[in-house]
Amino acid sequence: QKEVEQDPGPLSVPEGAIVSLNCTYSNSAFQYFMWYRQYSRKGPELLMYTYSSGNKEDGRFTAQVDKSSKYISLFIRDSQPSDSATYLCAMSAAGGTSYGKLTFGQGTILTVHP
Amino acid sequence: DAGVTQSPTHLIKTRGQQVTLRCSPKSGHDTVSWYQQALGQGPQFIFQYYEEEERQRGNFPDRFSGHQFPNYSSELNVNALLLGDSALYLCASSFLDTQGETQYFGPGTRLLVL
Repeated sequence: QKEVEQDPGPLSVPEGAIVSLNCTYSNSAFQYFMWYRQYSRKGPELLMYTYSSGNKEDGRFTAQVDKSSKYISLFIRDSQPSDSATYLCAMSAAGGTSYGKLTFGQGTILTVHP
Repeated sequence: DAGVTQSPTHLIKTRGQQVTLRCSPKSGHDTVSWYQQALGQGPQFIFQYYEEEERQRGNFPDRFSGHQFPNYSSELNVNALLLGDSALYLCASSFLDTQGETQYFGPGTRLLVL
């Protein structure tokens, strides 16, 4: 079993839709949670960074972390064609020998069509 | 402010050869991490360098080695290349502050082993 599971999709939605992306994890040591966006043939771009449980909002993006369920989500409101990309969740532990190592999900391919 | 830069952008090698990839971190960052991303997969952590020392290492064989220079730039070396080493190699830079350690990625080097 992988430490981080992410539905690879693909996910196709119409412009303006609300998109929900999710990851589950098994390692209870994870304390830092990130969402990256990766366009084709480019490096990952950091979208959201959250420490521990709770919600964080930035413009059209909202990240949620539920550590009790080992479940994180990214919501995209009013989705645009420019949001079409692969979305990667990533996590890291706080302290210890795993500190600094990001563990990624497989990535979800999102297409927003006009 | 220049972001993380990597060179070369693309590389073609044959089995058994050796390759060196280079990374310059964002200004102000002192830590460099390397990841391997196979097609359709999330990045896999190779290792992390801090203060010119390997601080963390993922599940990669000794054929993968690295170096960090006093100016914080870094190299990734892969010896005895295998077909399975074909991937996008990503460098990420970071520094540790009160918010944790946020990693910013470069555009990657795409390696093809024939």
